[in-house]
Amino acid sequence: KAGVTQTPRYLIKTRGQQVTLSCSPISGHRSVSWYQQTPGQGLQFLFEYFSETQRNKGNFPGRFSGRQFSNSRSEMNVSTLELGDSALYLCASSLASSYNSPLHFGNGTRLTVT
Amino acid sequence: AQSVAQPEDQVNVAEGNPLTVKCTYSVSGNPYLFWYVQYPNRGLQFLLKYITGDNLVKGSYGFEAEFNKSQTSFHLKKPSALVSDSALYFCAVRVLPLNAGGTSYGKLTFGQGTILTVHP
Repeated sequence: KAGVTQTPRYLIKTRGQQVTLSCSPISGHRSVSWYQQTPGQGLQFLFEYFSETQRNKGNFPGRFSGRQFSNSRSEMNVSTLELGDSALYLCASSLASSYNSPLHFGNGTRLTVT
Repeated sequence: AQSVAQPEDQVNVAEGNPLTVKCTYSVSGNPYLFWYVQYPNRGLQFLLKYITGDNLVKGSYGFEAEFNKSQTSFHLKKPSALVSDSALYFCAVRVLPLNAGGTSYGKLTFGQGTILTVHP
């Protein structure tokens, strides 16, 4: 079974631009979550989608948004990029059937904002 | 609010020696605890989880973890470390909401991570 796939692996953008990151979950997984990883803040929860609906949201500004499609694939968008948005963005999927289901992470998209 | 603490930024052990990576948690409900490992330029890999039952949980790659409710700890252990175990380790908690109607499964609260270095 294929794992969580994130594209692209690397992105370089300039301040003020916007970016869209993509995530394909493990087949059969209906919950997709996004995390931001930085050396200073560690792993921070961005949001979670289930059946095309945002089910939970972390403490990030409105410039960060996401969506989920009917095939469970998800995208996240960051508008008006700031230097502080440079990070590794991780997508995770789970069966979403119980609280003991672990999250399965992709390899991430490394975003650099210059 | 729930929180997870990994008190050691770095742990250094010699190959063949036992290793322990520490984790303590603070939650108001029943904790579901997880350990993940991250290798450079990779995502997080699931190692093991504690839900209920035996306090000693066995996971992937020979790792195990001991849940201690009175000390609110969930330390990761391995009897004999390998150089290939060198990586960044994260402890995480998911809390079952007191209102069972909550169904958000995707949010984990992570510790800051511990860099494990195993020397040959």
